[in-house]
Parts: sequence; C-alpha cells; structure tokens
Amino acid sequence: ETGVTQTPRHLVMGMTNKKSLKCEQHLGHNAMYWYKQSAKKPLELMFVYSLEERVENNSVPSRFSPECPNSSHLFLHLHTLQPEDSALYLCASSHPGTGVKAFFGQGTRLTVV
Amino acid sequence: AQTVTQSQPEMSVQEAETVTLSCTYDTSESDYYLFWYKQPPSRQMILVIRQEAYKQQNATENRFSVNFQKAAKSFSLKISDSQLGDAAMYFCAYMRETSGSRLTFGEGTQLTVNP
Repeated sequence: ETGVTQTPRHLVMGMTNKKSLKCEQHLGHNAMYWYKQSAKKPLELMFVYSLEERVENNSVPSRFSPECPNSSHLFLHLHTLQPEDSALYLCASSHPGTGVKAFFGQGTRLTVV
Repeated sequence: AQTVTQSQPEMSVQEAETVTLSCTYDTSESDYYLFWYKQPPSRQMILVIRQEAYKQQNATENRFSVNFQKAAKSFSLKISDSQLGDAAMYFCAYMRETSGSRLTFGEGTQLTVNP
C-alpha cells in the first residue's frame, strides 16, 4: 500500500461513453501525475500538476481532460475514446519532502470497445 | 530531452543467486535522481531504490544495490540472494531535481526467478 488510491481498478467503455478516473492521496504531496502504460512500451507521461496547477501536458489528445480540484485529488475525464487508448493508467504523487520519491497507485485497466 | 534505455527485455536468475539489470540514460543536467521501480503482476509500481546524482556513494536497500557511474551515465541494479517474490518487471527511471518534474522510464526488464 503506497497511499495512492485509484478507482476504478477496471473499466470497460464504449467509444461514445464519458467516464472519469479518480486518484486520491493523503500523503501531503504537492505534485500529481497521470501516466499511460501500453503493452510493449515505456510508461508515457500524460499530465503533471504541481500545487494544483497543470505544469505539463505531454501532447495528449483533447479526449483526455485532467482535473485537479485540490492537492489530494486528481481526475482524468474520458470522452469519445479510441480502441488504441486501451491501456493501464497510472496515477502518481510526489513531494520534495519525500526526497522526490514518486508513489504510484495500482492503476486503472481501461478497455475501449 | 532525457532518455532512459534498458537493453535487456528479459532476464532470469536462480533462486538465491545474484542478478544485475542494466540501465543507461542520457541527460545534460548535473543534478537529478535515478530510480528503480518494480511492477509485479498486481501492477503496483513499487519503488525499489533511489540514487541522488550528487552522491558518489552507491545506494543500498537490503538485498538491492546499484552501481552508479555518473560519467558513463550508467545505473545498474544488483539483486542479491534472489527470491521468488522478486519476479517482476523492473523499470529504471530518471527525474530532474525539481518537484513536479517528470519521471522518464526505460522500457523495462522482465525478471524471472527460477526455483
């Protein structure tokens, strides 16, 4: 248990659906991240939030929309996804006080049908 | 841009033996962090060990140790007395010395531990 919780663990959605992934941490961290992990590829950074401000958007399509309402919560809103978006989506958080260690959630396995 | 390369897609080791996983990286920064993460079938990414670039001493965490060669930009992980529970995908990662900075990951090495 790393202290970073992601829900749901599994999600199957159609291409016309709208869904959201949730990430929550109560570790006092001030930076949160979304990563995408596809088969046979390195983890890809999608978004970085630091102090609730988006500091990085790694050329992610607009069908992915992040939201960080406070330093403990991070959402990834999904709409009109494509089958190639099927992947494991990992949330992470970090803070200088942890020596810049990033802690990960268990991920959401997303399947787009 | 920073890149991280793991040249061994798969490795195997006998239980109780020692195995070394390789990682090289490319950066123009002088201050940064390097990490090894473990991802078992449960998918949880678990931090194994961390190295600060400004420290010459190699990091050690119980059976896990690193060989950090800053000039060569090499960061290998040595697992001693391998256990069945060490079987997992291992990722090498790089982060600049700034909070909110990205982690850049290598492609991963799948480690199998044979009984």
